[in-house]
Amino acid sequence: KAGVTQTPRYLIKTRGQQVTLSCSPISGHRSVSWYQQTPGQGLQFLFEYFSETQRNKGNFPGRFSGRQFSNSRSEMNVSTLELGDSALYLCASRGGGTRTDTQYFGPGTRLTVL
Amino acid sequence: GQQVMQIPQYQHVQEGEDFTTYCNSSTTLSNIQWYKQRPGGHPVFLIQLVKSGEVKKQKRLTFQFGEAKKNSSLHITATQTTDVGTYFCAGVTGTASKLTFGTGTRLQVTL
Repeated sequence: KAGVTQTPRYLIKTRGQQVTLSCSPISGHRSVSWYQQTPGQGLQFLFEYFSETQRNKGNFPGRFSGRQFSNSRSEMNVSTLELGDSALYLCASRGGGTRTDTQYFGPGTRLTVL
Repeated sequence: GQQVMQIPQYQHVQEGEDFTTYCNSSTTLSNIQWYKQRPGGHPVFLIQLVKSGEVKKQKRLTFQFGEAKKNSSLHITATQTTDVGTYFCAGVTGTASKLTFGTGTRLQVTL
């Protein structure tokens, strides 16, 4: 079974631009979660989508948004980029999205904002 | 909101020494998961604990879930250089499906 894939792997943007990141979960998985990882803040939860609906949301500004398609693929968008948005963005999928399900992480997208 | 803290933040050991990381939640957890992230990699699931007082072993790794389900620990016996990485706990409260990750403990092992 193929793992979680994320594209692109690396991205460089400038302040004020917007960016869209993509995540393809493991086949059959319906839940996709997004995390931001930085050296200072650790792993911070952004949001979770399950069957095309946002189920949980972290404490991030409205510039961060996401969506999930009917094939469970998910995209995350960040508008009006700030320097502090530079981070590793990780996507994780799990089967039914229940509290005991294992999360499988993708390799991440390294975003650099200049 | 729920907070999950881990101590220590960083530990440097010599190969063969033992290592322990502790995870403490501000609220009672339904279950707790542990992940390992190698340098430059992504978090990889290690184990899940669900029951109060539960203890699970994976070769040299021993995981414990506290009686009050608010804390957990990971103990590695006789560390090896392959154990290098950051260890995260992640907890779930109530029936929610959201995982809250701990702050992580970075382990460095030298010969």
